[in-house]
Amino acid sequence: QVQLQESGPGLVRPSQTLSLTCTVSGGSIGSGGYYWSWIRQPAGKGLEWIGRIYTRGSTKYNPSLQSRVTISLDTSKNQFSLNLTSVTAADTAVYYCAREEAAAYGEGFDYWGQGTLVAVSS
Amino acid sequence: EVVMTQSPATLSVSPGERATLSCRASQSVSYNLAWYQQKPGQAPRLLIYAASTRATGIPARFSGSGSGTEFTLTISSLQSEDFAVYSCQQYTNWPPVMYTFGQGTKLEIK
Repeated sequence: QVQLQESGPGLVRPSQTLSLTCTVSGGSIGSGGYYWSWIRQPAGKGLEWIGRIYTRGSTKYNPSLQSRVTISLDTSKNQFSLNLTSVTAADTAVYYCAREEAAAYGEGFDYWGQGTLVAVSS
Repeated sequence: EVVMTQSPATLSVSPGERATLSCRASQSVSYNLAWYQQKPGQAPRLLIYAASTRATGIPARFSGSGSGTEFTLTISSLQSEDFAVYSCQQYTNWPPVMYTFGQGTKLEIK
């Protein structure tokens, strides 16, 4: 059974960098065949896709966040990470990591982490 | 960017009855549409992908239909555990690659 678990600081100061890690268990992130995404949800609002990374390291980002986002992969630790720079209060949200089968057409996000709340505040 | 609009925002239905939820895309997304169920404090759960394919382990009372810009999620006979928020999500793979979600429909007990 695949499991994803987010970790990282729950509080980030404005203008600083938000850094989160997703640890994957029950499957090898380096074996290929899946996209690994970050998705966030402000309180009481809808979900927003941030970006994804593939096993080979290729990335795609939400154009609205692209200038501030970096997603990276560490296959030796079976982890992938999110860095979001220059954060403001608008970046306060529950952040999820999720998996999608890599295909030409969307397969949906079939496994999710439990989510981690990140607040941006001084 | 493709905008996903869900209706209604809240739907009140009695247990055992049928629920029909709608999702509209601002431009055609073909069959690249997924549905999720989310309960308070939990991550979303994939119900349907490719507009009409049930995900692994999803009961047959959940069904999806539609293509292009109009999609529907139907729950044929509501169980107590089905009362939750339901969100649709589209995927586009032409540049730029993008996923967008609807704002959700809250399904509540009548």
